[in-house]
Amino acid sequence: SAVISQKPSRDICQRGTSLTIQCQVDSQVTMMFWYRQQPGQSLTLIATANQGSEATYESGFVIDKFPISRPNLTFSTLTVSNMSPEDSSIYLCSAALISRTDTQYFGPGTRLTVL
Amino acid sequence: KQEVTQIPAALSVPEGENLVLNCSFTDSAIYNLQWFRQDPGKGLTSLLLIQSSQREQTSGRLNASLDKSSGRSTLYIAASQPGDSATYLCAVNPSGTYKYIFGTGTRLKVLA
Repeated sequence: SAVISQKPSRDICQRGTSLTIQCQVDSQVTMMFWYRQQPGQSLTLIATANQGSEATYESGFVIDKFPISRPNLTFSTLTVSNMSPEDSSIYLCSAALISRTDTQYFGPGTRLTVL
Repeated sequence: KQEVTQIPAALSVPEGENLVLNCSFTDSAIYNLQWFRQDPGKGLTSLLLIQSSQREQTSGRLNASLDKSSGRSTLYIAASQPGDSATYLCAVNPSGTYKYIFGTGTRLKVLA
């Protein structure tokens, strides 16, 4: 299995600012993902974080709004840029292990509130 | 396009009851299906993973079944406890990808 940590666990931000969320995995992973869970909704995949190359974004999500970095096999960041109240959500990081690519492990999430 | 639906959306039961949560998906071509538990304000904990070739998986009081041909999975919880109160999410992994498509979730409350 893998243990995934995220920072911060929660934050309250002002409209128009940006927040960077960090995701750290304790094992080498093949793929890392970022999800959004809006209030009362299920999880929606934002993008796949690729090591050493640009992230792959899902329909409806763009790099300018959600820039992602993945400098190595165990770490990734997601930035929520120019925030509005509609960005208030839980953001979750997940990863698939190199040795177990058939399952994903999830971090505890970052609860973001935008005023 | 794969869609995952969970019924009921919310469920409240007395402690000790056995219960079944349902998950349906529109495309039977799946790689695996996973059931997760989500506690309020927290991330996801994997409960059971069923590969496409399997019919069911068991862990303690939990049993998950998979019927690919009918596009259905069920999560059976035996002898429910207040600690089982959480949202249960079903997620489908389409064939050949790492992406999970999540259901809408069932919010379970077990009353003491």
